[in-house]
Amino acid sequence: KAGVTQTPRYLIKTRGQQVTLSCSPISGHRSVSWYQQTPGQGLQFLFEYFSETQRNKGNFPGRFSGRQFSNSRSEMNVSTLELGDSALYLCASSMALAGDTQYFGPGTRLTVL
Amino acid sequence: QKEVEQDPGPLSVPEGAIVSLNCTYSNSAFQYFMWYRQYSRKGPELLMYTYSSGNKEDGRFTAQVDKSSKYISLFIRDSQPSDSATYLCAMSGGQAGTALIFGKGTTLSVSS
Repeated sequence: KAGVTQTPRYLIKTRGQQVTLSCSPISGHRSVSWYQQTPGQGLQFLFEYFSETQRNKGNFPGRFSGRQFSNSRSEMNVSTLELGDSALYLCASSMALAGDTQYFGPGTRLTVL
Repeated sequence: QKEVEQDPGPLSVPEGAIVSLNCTYSNSAFQYFMWYRQYSRKGPELLMYTYSSGNKEDGRFTAQVDKSSKYISLFIRDSQPSDSATYLCAMSGGQAGTALIFGKGTTLSVSS
């Protein structure tokens, strides 16, 4: 079974731009969660989507948004990029049951100049 | 106080050593406890999953959860150079819902 895939793997943007990252979950998984990983803050939860609806949200500004499509694929968008948004953005998929294990993709490394 | 505390290390051990990795947490509502391994420039890989208190063993890995002390551990027996990675504890449940709350990770280096 194919794992979680994320595209692109690397991205370089400048301050003020916006960016869209994509995630395809494991086949049959209906939940997609997004995390931001930085050296200073570690892995932090951004949001979770299930059945095209945001089910849970972390403590990030509104510049961070996401959506999920009917085939469970998900995108996250960051508008008005700031230098501090440079990070590894990880997507995780699960069956969406309580306590379900989450399987991570390889991540998208975003650099904001 | 952060919800999950984990000593970042680095931790260096010789091949064959027993490694002990630990996390403490403050939220007593957490019910699900995980250990992930992350190699450089890769996504986290699930190693162990435990529900509530107790022990779980899988090959050279043993995970322990003590909810009364809010303390979880991962033991690696007969450590190998291929175990060199960052180990992240994660937990979920309660108000966090399905969100995983991570420790900052411990960097382990196993020398041959």
